[in-house]
Amino acid sequence: NAGVTQTPKFRILKIGQSMTLQCAQDMNHNYMYWYRQDPGMGLKLIYYSVGAGITDKGEVPNGYNVSRSTTEDFPLRLELAAPSQTSVYFCASRRLGPNQPQHFGDGTRLSIL
Amino acid sequence: DAKTTQPNSMESNEEEPVHLPCNHSTISGTDYIHWYRQLPSQGPEYVIHGLTSNVNNRMASLAIAEDRKSSTLILHRATLRDAAVYYCTSMYSGGGADGLTFGKGTHLIIQP
Repeated sequence: NAGVTQTPKFRILKIGQSMTLQCAQDMNHNYMYWYRQDPGMGLKLIYYSVGAGITDKGEVPNGYNVSRSTTEDFPLRLELAAPSQTSVYFCASRRLGPNQPQHFGDGTRLSIL
Repeated sequence: DAKTTQPNSMESNEEEPVHLPCNHSTISGTDYIHWYRQLPSQGPEYVIHGLTSNVNNRMASLAIAEDRKSSTLILHRATLRDAAVYYCTSMYSGGGADGLTFGKGTHLIIQP
């Protein structure tokens, strides 16, 4: 029972580099989300998707892009990495329907130096 | 966004009940209150949610005030494995397909 899988678990980037954080879920969930968690803080919503081919911005989308070509995968792309993007990134998914609980991955810890 | 307010930390003894409070005075009348917890180096884990009446599941109970401006998560018999950060969350008001807004949460410390 894999659930939500995020890769890599850790990564160090130099300022200006780009990378893609991978997220995959095997529960056939329609909805998927990306959050970031800065040290000592709660999570903030970056982007979300309600199904393949449909994505939209959350609270803090600047500096990120997403795509959703399949139900299972929801990668998050960082272009021109900046120190302010140093954070832990969590992917989550949930079933269709109101108030369904979200299932989270274990996160990707990203440092921009 | 609806704002939630929780104490920064609480401490309890093992095998005793724990009451974790949350204020959410700006929550809309139709938004459910969701609680999650986060163990060290893990992603958040769903605990419970409710709208107006008290709710129970195998993990916890949720008591919601009649005016819906506050709620209390109740762990009936805390164990060391319940040591975590507990988040009372609300829906991100910018749409977001029920994306959540998390405050700083309450760091629950369980003493053996």
